[in-house]
Amino acid sequence: AQSVTQPDIHITVSEGASLELRCNYSSGATPYLFWYVQSPGQGLQLLLKYFSGDTLVQGIKGFEAEFKRSQSSFNLRKPSVHWSDAAEYFCAVALSGGYQKVTFGIGTKLQVIP
Amino acid sequence: GAVVSQHPSWVICKSGTSVKIECRSLDFQATTMFWYRQFPKQSLMLMATSNEGSKATYEQGVEKDKFLINHASLTLSTLTVTSAHPEDSSFYICSARPPTGGNTGELFFGEGSRLTVL
Repeated sequence: AQSVTQPDIHITVSEGASLELRCNYSSGATPYLFWYVQSPGQGLQLLLKYFSGDTLVQGIKGFEAEFKRSQSSFNLRKPSVHWSDAAEYFCAVALSGGYQKVTFGIGTKLQVIP
Repeated sequence: GAVVSQHPSWVICKSGTSVKIECRSLDFQATTMFWYRQFPKQSLMLMATSNEGSKATYEQGVEKDKFLINHASLTLSTLTVTSAHPEDSSFYICSARPPTGGNTGELFFGEGSRLTVL
């Protein structure tokens, strides 16, 4: 069975500072990995995804994530955080091949202070 | 990207009544849609998979008679919370897999529907 761990439930960063949100997964096969963002009272928006190829993927809003198979990690990064980035971020995993169920992590709430 | 829309965004109802939530894929046909429930400060929990023209597949522990799902067309799935009680109050989110998503698991989400049962 696949699972996703987001060890940080809540993170606070200053505007302009760099950001890294951690995500670890367990999967018996090559995973498909996603990061979603959720603003309060809203649905989820896809930030970026990794299927194969280059392990450093670029997403929207200046976010990027790096897939590290040896560490079973898919951490999300942004070099300079903006106040509008305050939201909840979810890492998700799906098994490759055929129909898959997407499993979400518990989420990391990002607070941005001036 | 693909657009998925939910309606209503929020609804308040009395205990014992039924509430219907709609999920529409606006610019693509979705043979499969998913319904999630999100409790405060928790992740999304998959409730059921809605398949166009067939019965929904429910996750373990989800009452199929309580949460009725109908996927009558390729662009519409509905979730009906029957005989709602306060413990059913939650944020319900639907998602759909666009044709280009294929077997990759990529999903597009609706805005969510906040249900409050008094």
